[in-house]
Amino acid sequence: EVQLVESGGGLVQPGRSLRLSCTASGFTFGDYAMSWFRQAPGKGLQWVGFIRSRASGGTTEYAASVKGRFTISRDDSKSIAYLQMNSLKTEDTAVYYCVGGRSGVYWGQGTLVTVSS
Amino acid sequence: DIVMTQTPLSSPVTLGQPASISCRSSQSLVHSDGNTYLSWLQQRPGQPPRLLIYKISNRFSGVPDRFSGSGAGTDFTLKISRVEAEDVGVYYCMQATQFPFTFGPGTKVDIK
Repeated sequence: EVQLVESGGGLVQPGRSLRLSCTASGFTFGDYAMSWFRQAPGKGLQWVGFIRSRASGGTTEYAASVKGRFTISRDDSKSIAYLQMNSLKTEDTAVYYCVGGRSGVYWGQGTLVTVSS
Repeated sequence: DIVMTQTPLSSPVTLGQPASISCRSSQSLVHSDGNTYLSWLQQRPGQPPRLLIYKISNRFSGVPDRFSGSGAGTDFTLKISRVEAEDVGVYYCMQATQFPFTFGPGTKVDIK
């Protein structure tokens, strides 16, 4: 059974940092590109960023709203993807989803990040 | 950025009747690799999204065959042949052809 489990969410003050982790199982993690998406309370879905598989170069892409503040990385040996979030803003408050595959194949349950003073 | 639009935004449906959702992109979703990365996602109340259809018309594993996708270029459609109670939720189209990936606003399907 495929599972993606996000962790690391919580309440954080504006300007601070947080690192989310996504632990994968049930599929060959290293073969898949991974994305992070988010969903603000009561809103639609928004793409945050993307990391290619190692075979495709392992490079990253980011939404303009997070570029320079967020960093995606991956550890294929542990089947974990990370989202490092720096200089957090109140508008970053959302449920963050880890997703496997370019087409949005596998979704985690999400982790809530609340940015508030 | 590619803008995705969906119609209708709300779709009250009678159980057992068909439903159809249209998705339009502001530019062609054909990737240089020849694929069209247009997906349909379902989000039931209180649940994370799940993939229904990928690359326009490919039903994901475990998705009932009452769901089907069609289209090409900039115009795409999701059809539910006979709506069941478990189909209630919000449906999103998503393009993953060009960065940034973008979503339609969502179509809320509920039962009349």
